[in-house]
Amino acid sequence: GQGVEQPAKLMSVEGTFARVNCTYSTSGFNGLSWYQQREGQAPVFLSYVVLDGLKDSGHFSTFLSRSNGYSYLLLTELQIKDSASYLCAVRVAQGGRALIFGTGTTVSVSP
Amino acid sequence: EAAVTQSPRNKVAVTGGKVTLSCNQTNNHNNMYWYRQDTGHGLRLIHYSYGAGSTEKGDIPDGYKASRPSQENFSLILELATPSQTSVYFCASGDDRGLTGQLYFGEGSKLTVL
Repeated sequence: GQGVEQPAKLMSVEGTFARVNCTYSTSGFNGLSWYQQREGQAPVFLSYVVLDGLKDSGHFSTFLSRSNGYSYLLLTELQIKDSASYLCAVRVAQGGRALIFGTGTTVSVSP
Repeated sequence: EAAVTQSPRNKVAVTGGKVTLSCNQTNNHNNMYWYRQDTGHGLRLIHYSYGAGSTEKGDIPDGYKASRPSQENFSLILELATPSQTSVYFCASGDDRGLTGQLYFGEGSKLTVL
């Protein structure tokens, strides 16, 4: 079957970093997206990666290894407001139904 | 600014009743989606649409119908609501080229079926 896996929770400290892991096993791959979702709110798009390697977007970076079915979202210089759930979603094909979401990782940032 | 709006934001229904969740997008996107989100399951695709007049089954379509009367509007219909359909429902839109991997989500509709 197809699956996208994420750890349920991650705790970190303000000013440090957090790495949110995502592993996937899917029949196809056409890119991977990361979303942030605050409690009671809609998911908000953060990043999309298609090629292997690290993509730096300032406050966060995303890494992809297609051969290992692995990605991570790296949040640096954490702030309390970074506390949220982070969702990984794999696009397995072109077209409408193509996204498979992971269950999300809740990141808690403490002072 | 891309915008997806859902209504109602909160709904309490009785078992066996009919519920309609509405979604409107001003992004001029061809693709629209309905997801439900439950603890431990993440976002699961119920129905989606490629454009006006089209509806397709997602991964968990049982007990749900969808309607796409226009480019802007996409509705999710529960003909006979059951307590297992208590959830938060999200509508989203996206372009069909998939170049950015980005979906635009509405704020969600919390449905409670008693």
